[in-house]
Amino acid sequence: DQQVKQNSPSLSVQEGRISILNCDYTNSMFDYFLWYKKYPAEGPTFLISISSIKDKNEDGRFTVFLNKSAKHLSLHIVPSQPGDSAVYFCAASRAGSGTYKYIFGTGTRLKVLA
Amino acid sequence: NAGVTQTPKFQVLKTGQSMTLQCAQDMNHNSMYWYRQDPGMGLRLIYYSASEGTTDKGEVPNGYNVSRLNKREFSLRLESAAPSQTSVYFCASSEVTGDDTEAFFGQGTRLTVV
Repeated sequence: DQQVKQNSPSLSVQEGRISILNCDYTNSMFDYFLWYKKYPAEGPTFLISISSIKDKNEDGRFTVFLNKSAKHLSLHIVPSQPGDSAVYFCAASRAGSGTYKYIFGTGTRLKVLA
Repeated sequence: NAGVTQTPKFQVLKTGQSMTLQCAQDMNHNSMYWYRQDPGMGLRLIYYSASEGTTDKGEVPNGYNVSRLNKREFSLRLESAAPSQTSVYFCASSEVTGDDTEAFFGQGTRLTVV
């Protein structure tokens, strides 16, 4: 039972254009969401997060949108750069449980074409 | 500034052998986690430790044991390795502070069971 789903295994975007990565979740108890970026042979690195009390969080070129009613979040990267080519994972957790048991999606491989 | 350190980085085991993956963090975090990453499956939580002295099962705990040796160290043990445990293993740590937190990951251990 996949609680966090990334239905697009891969995405190709031209340099300078917008990249939109999507993520859906099924557990309405999740209230904290994160995006991680992963390069080959490295550990995942934190990119951006959003609490369920917000519907948008922005950090430079990266914006995460949360639609709680649809149980959907998306990551927008604009403008996309070749260095953004990586696998992106979304993750969800429940705050207030004493620890953040992060549940990850299956990842989307982004390729930014120069 | 080491962050999360995993040893070893690579390991080949024969079916039935045992081994322990080591993880240490220097960020004084209370919570630590073990994940495995498999193609098409994303990152799946094996075990986690909310704080020193406590451990809990994650999504895929079968075939593994863990020990939270102290606040810094969290080890993962395979008692009798199986080919299905061939994977990349990631250790992570986090601190629950307020409503926002993220997990920091190590570089991973690539394990092959033949």
